[in-house]
Amino acid sequence: DGGITQSPKYLFRKEGQNVTLSCEQNLNHDAMYWYRQDPGQGLRLIYYSQIVNDFQKGDIAEGYSVSREKKESFPLTVTSAQKNPTAFYLCASKDTPWTHEQYFGPGTRLTVT
Amino acid sequence: ELKVEQNPLFLSMQEGKNYTIYCNYSTTSDRLYWYRQDPGKSLESLFVLLSNGAVKQEGRLMASLDTKARLSTLHITAAVHDLSATYFCAEGDSGGYQKVTFGTGTKLQVIP
Repeated sequence: DGGITQSPKYLFRKEGQNVTLSCEQNLNHDAMYWYRQDPGQGLRLIYYSQIVNDFQKGDIAEGYSVSREKKESFPLTVTSAQKNPTAFYLCASKDTPWTHEQYFGPGTRLTVT
Repeated sequence: ELKVEQNPLFLSMQEGKNYTIYCNYSTTSDRLYWYRQDPGKSLESLFVLLSNGAVKQEGRLMASLDTKARLSTLHITAAVHDLSATYFCAEGDSGGYQKVTFGTGTKLQVIP
């Protein structure tokens, strides 16, 4: 089955630790995205990537980093510089940056204490 | 800066009733998307609206787009409990990177 996988579903970390969230897709999509969702809020764009080895900051990139070394993978690292990292993180992909249909992964709920 | 506002933010309605969710957006974009999210789950694409006057229907949901008014609506007909979820509209940036800006969502609760 084609789709987007994110792991783990739940993640717990102590404050001050970096943590990496996984996002893998087997849809052969060029574009990939990371969003953050806080309770009762919409999604906010963290980073996006149009092609391999290229990525751009979104609206709330501070305290986050990404890499796009392979087409199918777009991991997100939440660094200790992110002041309020507890949130629901969603990865998404599109066939091309100009395609309208965006597919979402199941999400990772990160809790930092 | 793109800005998307939805209202109401919370909607409780009885089964069988009709209601409309409104989505106002800030630019002259002709790309508007509607998504559904169940509690603790990911987002599911419902509708993609790409031109002024576009209307799409799926079951009890109908979405429309008025680019001149910068308004999209999601109309619910004869609501059923299974429609209980949070509904998001999102505006697509017509620029090269096709960024999408989401509204804050409308939490719909359909009461039997």
